[in-house]
Amino acid sequence: EPEVTQTPSHQVTQMGQEVILRCVPISNHLYFYWYRQILGQKVEFLVSFYNNEISEKSEIFDDQFSVERPDGSNFTLKIRSTKLEDSAMYFCASSPRLAGNFGNEQFFGPGTRLTVL
Amino acid sequence: AQSVTQPDIHITVSEGASLELRCNYSYGATPYLFWYVQSPGQGLQLLLKYFSGDTLVQGIKGFEAEFKRSQSSFNLRKPSVHWSDAAEYFCAVGTSGTYKYIFGTGTRLKVLA
Repeated sequence: EPEVTQTPSHQVTQMGQEVILRCVPISNHLYFYWYRQILGQKVEFLVSFYNNEISEKSEIFDDQFSVERPDGSNFTLKIRSTKLEDSAMYFCASSPRLAGNFGNEQFFGPGTRLTVL
Repeated sequence: AQSVTQPDIHITVSEGASLELRCNYSYGATPYLFWYVQSPGQGLQLLLKYFSGDTLVQGIKGFEAEFKRSQSSFNLRKPSVHWSDAAEYFCAVGTSGTYKYIFGTGTRLKVLA
């Protein structure tokens, strides 16, 4: 069964460093998403991406964040200058069509745990 | 604004007992509703979803949920809990025309042998 994969599973970085979290969505999906879950808190939407551009973003997704689909398979989240409060689990998701419409669902990856020291 | 409330942070049940996890949402129109389960260190697995039609939805692992519009609720149930059901459960809402899901804060389920 196809699944969303994410690498690395755990990333440790120093405050102020740049990190890139990688995701491989399900191959025929067109919509891609990033969410984060700070330890002990709820899962929060960061950004959605369709047709090579951001389609929606939350207030959390500020200028230090960027997303990219550099090739036909990868979807990345870059945090330009990490802060302590960026420590969280980051989930990638994908959907074949616009999630929410007509029964479409988002399929989530296993997550990348980011620790900022 | 849309919101999801899971009033129970922790629930403990004995193995074999029945389970009900509560979820209330706030949204003007009919939302799309989901329950996800997250085992420690794992990702989010979809248990079931509601989009329209029959308000009682069957999911995987013996779970079901009932959409009650009058109560703005989508409670998750299981008639007999297994030790392997111990995990965190998240209710989520999606809405037509938007890209994001809004998640509740989760309910951590502990199962006693």
